[in-house]
Amino acid sequence: QQPVQSPQAVILREGEDAVINCSSSKALYSVHWYRQKHGEAPVFLMILLKGGEQKGHEKISASFNEKKQQSSLYLTASQLSYSGTYFCGTVTTDSWGKLQFGAGTQVVVTP
Amino acid sequence: DTGVSQDPRHKITKRGQNVTFRCDPISEHNRLYWYRQTLGQGPEFLTYFQNEAQLEKSRLLSDRFSAERPKGSFSTLEIQRTEQGDSAMYLCASSLTDRAFLNTEAFFGQGTRLTVV
Repeated sequence: QQPVQSPQAVILREGEDAVINCSSSKALYSVHWYRQKHGEAPVFLMILLKGGEQKGHEKISASFNEKKQQSSLYLTASQLSYSGTYFCGTVTTDSWGKLQFGAGTQVVVTP
Repeated sequence: DTGVSQDPRHKITKRGQNVTFRCDPISEHNRLYWYRQTLGQGPEFLTYFQNEAQLEKSRLLSDRFSAERPKGSFSTLEIQRTEQGDSAMYLCASSLTDRAFLNTEAFFGQGTRLTVV
């Protein structure tokens, strides 16, 4: 079962903040966040584990709400380099090996 | 370590032909995934290996698709009798599992873009 991401797209001015959400209908073990730029491979940003702490990567951080089976990615003081499509990948507790991806959130940061 | 390597990067083939793609994972990574990605969509799971064992295959994967990972190192994905609907980016990723065989971060290769004409 694929996770659901929202919003589908967001346009930001440099320096603005954004939140991307990822939700699962099944119990989550871990959530993986990736960013993909046009024509390139997805690049790993961070992983959040069940029972783990909030993670951060530069000014990009994420949280994991186990009760709601959701994760949120926070883009703070966005930079032009943050443009791309963000994907969450989930591992559920009934499917350990398989990493399933959402449809992605396209982020455009303008000057 | 140069990361996950995929070959070829691009492949154009005529409908009905067979194609084979290769993936070389990061050395010592015991888990290897194959995904398919079409424009505007997220990577779609196809199959994965734990060492040389193919542990799961997506129902989306028809009998025309086969993957192998001999000796638990590189992997090949073959598509027989290609169809236009097979046109997509085929991505390979690898990861190192922990002692409980749970996931750590997966790293992707640059992908093989297949065009079936």
